[in-house]
Amino acid sequence: AQRVTQPEKLLSVFKGAPVELKCNYSYSGSPELFWYVQYSRQRLQLLLRHISRESIKGFTADLNKGETSFHLKKPFAQEEDSAMYYCAYPTYCSGTYKYIFGTGTRLKVLA
Amino acid sequence: SAVISQKPSRDICQRGTSLTIQCQVDSQVTMMFWYRQQPGQSLTLIATANQGSEATYESGFVIDKFPISRPNLTFSTLTVSNMSPEDSSIYLCSVGAATPSEQYFGPGTRLTVT
Repeated sequence: AQRVTQPEKLLSVFKGAPVELKCNYSYSGSPELFWYVQYSRQRLQLLLRHISRESIKGFTADLNKGETSFHLKKPFAQEEDSAMYYCAYPTYCSGTYKYIFGTGTRLKVLA
Repeated sequence: SAVISQKPSRDICQRGTSLTIQCQVDSQVTMMFWYRQQPGQSLTLIATANQGSEATYESGFVIDKFPISRPNLTFSTLTVSNMSPEDSSIYLCSVGAATPSEQYFGPGTRLTVT
């Protein structure tokens, strides 16, 4: 079955340290993968999508087909990066895309 | 983009009762989705609500427990029936897109069952 796996429930790093949030996928064909973020007391929102190859808030994510991974990285973590991060992929149904989410990783950036 | 509101934002209910959560979108959308976000856990899709037809439920969720209405293209309700403490969760309404670009989420309804 198609799914994404986030092996870490909690990741704690110190401010200024590099961050890598892991996501592995099991997907046939060419996957389209996304990272969503939920800051405290805010709604879930899109962070970035692999197809655009963009950097948002200093975060990047590269699709590695050999390792079937889509890890989220940032070279220097900031306290405001503390949030819940979800890896997700879209499934298509009757003209609309809906998303299946990984289990999420809570990132805590310590001062 | 779509702006989504939910009512109530939170509630505390006794076991055995039912709660209906409302979701309003500022534009017409084909499909609306209901998710559950349990404490410390992932988002789990409960069902997909298509206007004018029965909702489609994911494995582990049934209509008797989570009846859904979709009376028009901008509104949906999810009812959590015969609640137990295990139903304590955040319930999220969401709308999809015609392209795999972005899914928009409501602010959520935090439900506590005592």
